[in-house]
Amino acid sequence: SQKIEQNSEALNIQEGKTATLTCNYTNYSPAYLQWYRQDPGRGPVFLLLIRENEKEKRKERLKVTFETTLKQSLFHITASQPADSATYLCAPRGYGQNFVFGPGTRLSVLP
Amino acid sequence: DADVTQTPRNRITKTGKRIMLECSQTKGHDRMYWYRQDPGLGLQLIYYSFDVKDINKGEISDGYSVSRQAQAKFSLSLESAIPNQTALYFCATSDARTPDNEQFFGPGTRLTVL
Repeated sequence: SQKIEQNSEALNIQEGKTATLTCNYTNYSPAYLQWYRQDPGRGPVFLLLIRENEKEKRKERLKVTFETTLKQSLFHITASQPADSATYLCAPRGYGQNFVFGPGTRLSVLP
Repeated sequence: DADVTQTPRNRITKTGKRIMLECSQTKGHDRMYWYRQDPGLGLQLIYYSFDVKDINKGEISDGYSVSRQAQAKFSLSLESAIPNQTALYFCATSDARTPDNEQFFGPGTRLTVL
């Protein structure tokens, strides 16, 4: 069965550092992968999408990589700020009807 | 006004009761979804619909049913609520025409079954 893992349940980093979150998936080959941000008690908000033929995608301080041979995506937040503290969800998506999410990594950026 | 709304926002009910959660959207999207979220388990897909005449089961549809009354409305029913259905429920929408196919989520309904 399809399985999605995110590196750790929680990650603490110091303000100004780069946060790196990992998403690994097994038993399927997604055509693209989305990343979402979720704040406590609120619905997820879409951040970025990267396609299988793209190695890297950037948006402001965010960078996503997609290594299909490793079945892995890395999500980086550079120059992190306390306002970046949230749970980040990855969502590998195929052309089929799967709309699943990873369990999320809770990021805390300490001032 | 919010693009995706859910009612009620909070609900406490008893085991065996029938419960309906409602979702409305003003985004004009064709696709709608229901998810539940439990601590440590992430979002789990219950049902999804690509248009008014299309209903599909997700990962965890047992104990739930849905109705797509109109393009803008998608309701989730718990026929006979049980305590392990206590969770945070999210409705989401997406537009098949957009290249990123991102989902837009409502604010959530916190359901407690006693």
